[in-house]
Amino acid sequence: NAGVTQTPKFQVLKTGQSMTLQCAQDMNHNSMYWYRQDPGMGLRLIYYSASEGTTDKGEVPNGYNVSRLNKREFSLRLESAAPSQTSVYFCASSEGTGPEPQHFGDGTRLSIL
Amino acid sequence: AQSVTQLDSQVPVFEEAPVELRCNYSSSVSVYLFWYVQYPNQGLQLLLKYLSGSTLVKGINGFEAEFNKSQTSFHLRKPSVHISDTAEYFCAVSGQAGGSYIPTFGRGTSLIVHP
Repeated sequence: NAGVTQTPKFQVLKTGQSMTLQCAQDMNHNSMYWYRQDPGMGLRLIYYSASEGTTDKGEVPNGYNVSRLNKREFSLRLESAAPSQTSVYFCASSEGTGPEPQHFGDGTRLSIL
Repeated sequence: AQSVTQLDSQVPVFEEAPVELRCNYSSSVSVYLFWYVQYPNQGLQLLLKYLSGSTLVKGINGFEAEFNKSQTSFHLRKPSVHISDTAEYFCAVSGQAGGSYIPTFGRGTSLIVHP
């Protein structure tokens, strides 16, 4: 029972490098989300996808792009990494677009030097 | 617009003592509230949710929360904590943005249970 799977779990990048974080869910959920978690800041929404084929900006979208590849997969891309993007990134999914609880992956810990 | 304030960044408590983690919210529309728990190096897990109905909501691991509309609060309680309850706890409010309900999370409360 995998739930939400994120890869990789850890990554170190140099400033200016690009990278794609992968997320897949096996619960047949329609909605998927990308968050970043920084100390003392809680979770901040980067992008979300209410359904396959749609994506929308969240609170902190600058410097990121997303792709909803299919119903299962939702990737997050950093085109030119900056030290300010050092964070823990979480992917989540929910059944639909209602006020349902979210299911989270275990996170990707990203350091940018 | 919606927002969540978790009033304590850290709550230390001794094992078997009761605990309350405080959460206040603001929302201009119908209110849907959640508490999540995060153990070290893991993602968030749902503890409990309030969507409608009874204002006292029971969750997993012996936790409960009470929705108080007049005080705009949704405090989390447990009558007797264990060492294993040491974790980060997040309160969230879900409101409508366009056609979707998007949650806003508080900054988290670190519960530290001492033996």
